[in-house]
Amino acid sequence: QVQLQESGPGRLKPSQTLSLTCSVSGVSTSSGDYYWTWVRQAPGRGLEWIGSIYYSGFPEYNPSLESRVSLSVDTSKNQFSLTLTSVTAADTAVYYCARSTVTTLNYWGQGTLVTVSS
Amino acid sequence: QTVVTQEPSVTVSPGGTVTLTCASSTGPVTSDHYPNWVQQKPGQAPRSLMYSVSNRYSWTPARFSGSLLGGKAALTLSGVQPEDEADYYCLLYSGGPWVFGGGTKLTVL
Repeated sequence: QVQLQESGPGRLKPSQTLSLTCSVSGVSTSSGDYYWTWVRQAPGRGLEWIGSIYYSGFPEYNPSLESRVSLSVDTSKNQFSLTLTSVTAADTAVYYCARSTVTTLNYWGQGTLVTVSS
Repeated sequence: QTVVTQEPSVTVSPGGTVTLTCASSTGPVTSDHYPNWVQQKPGQAPRSLMYSVSNRYSWTPARFSGSLLGGKAALTLSGVQPEDEADYYCLLYSGGPWVFGGGTKLTVL
């Protein structure tokens, strides 16, 4: 049974760096069949694709976030991570991690709320 | 960047049939966009319903079907149930980045 669980700080101050980790069970992050994806949802807003990464690298990022975002995979811990620099209030959102393939976005974590406030 | 457009809100009666659509600013939606549909109920995480136009997941009820219709991706719900009230998001592959539509709020009334 595939499960994903996000973890990270619930609150940050503007200009700080956000780091989130997604712990994966039921499937290996080193599998060549999957990409590892982050999606976010600001309060009362729609879903926004942040980016995806293959186990060996080759990340793809949302152009609107590309200058501030970085994804990585730690296959030894069966985890993958998101780093977002210079956060502002506009980055306040629920962040979801998900498993995807070339054609699908199939399994989702439960999400973690990140609030950016001074 | 590609903009994906969905109906903001749709209302349907229980037992009825409704079609939600998804358009791309770059032109007709095709199978090369691998259209996905995602359902989100209030206070819950999203749940994927459909991929590559018309493929259901094992957990997707048979009353949900996907298609390409008039240059758009479409999600049809037949025999709508009260529990189908939710937000529905379309997701398109745009040659690198994926792009979500703004979502359709489906009300069952």
